[in-house]
Amino acid sequence: EAEVAQSPRYKITEKSQAVAFWCDPISGHATLYWYRQILGQGPELLVQFQDESVVDDSQLPKDRFSAERLKGVDSTLKIQPAELGDSAMYLCASSSGTQGRNSPLHFGNGTRLTVT
Amino acid sequence: QQPVQSPQAVILREGEDAVINCSSSKALYSVHWYRQKHGEAPVFLMILLKGGEQKGHEKISASFNEKKQQSSLYLTASQLSYSGTYFCGSIQTGANNLFFGTGTRLTVIP
Repeated sequence: EAEVAQSPRYKITEKSQAVAFWCDPISGHATLYWYRQILGQGPELLVQFQDESVVDDSQLPKDRFSAERLKGVDSTLKIQPAELGDSAMYLCASSSGTQGRNSPLHFGNGTRLTVT
Repeated sequence: QQPVQSPQAVILREGEDAVINCSSSKALYSVHWYRQKHGEAPVFLMILLKGGEQKGHEKISASFNEKKQQSSLYLTASQLSYSGTYFCGSIQTGANNLFFGTGTRLTVIP
């Protein structure tokens, strides 16, 4: 079964450093999501793409976070500078269909970020 | 925007039943249900698209009451493999983004 690929699996960085996460969705999935999950909480939507366009980034802290999906396939999420409060699991998900309303989300294994 | 789930945690013995509730303060277009095991990614269980719709997945089923803006997940004759944290996700009417609930931690013991 096709999977959503994410890398790196784990990342430890010092505060004020830059960090980037990569996601490759399931082939053919037009909708791509980045979620942040703090331990013990539900995933929090950061940004949603439809092809290469941003559909929703209202929850993205734009002073330090940026996301892109230049060719409408894989995506990169960047944090600069990282803060201690950014320590969390960063999950990428993809879905088929128009903006994923009626389609299940398929999640990658995530990137566990620790900021020291 | 985040739906609220109850209970926060539940412990069951194998074979027992459980109900997990999800409610929203906004009108809903659809509700998703996912299960996440410790250290793993959330896994899709089902989507409910219409008010009053019920869907089933093995011994796990769910209902969606559009008027009450609520959904419930029913787990019958629980198995050890059902352990994990269950999240509902809601898409509001007129919106396209999925917001996850607070989660319900389910533990099934022998």
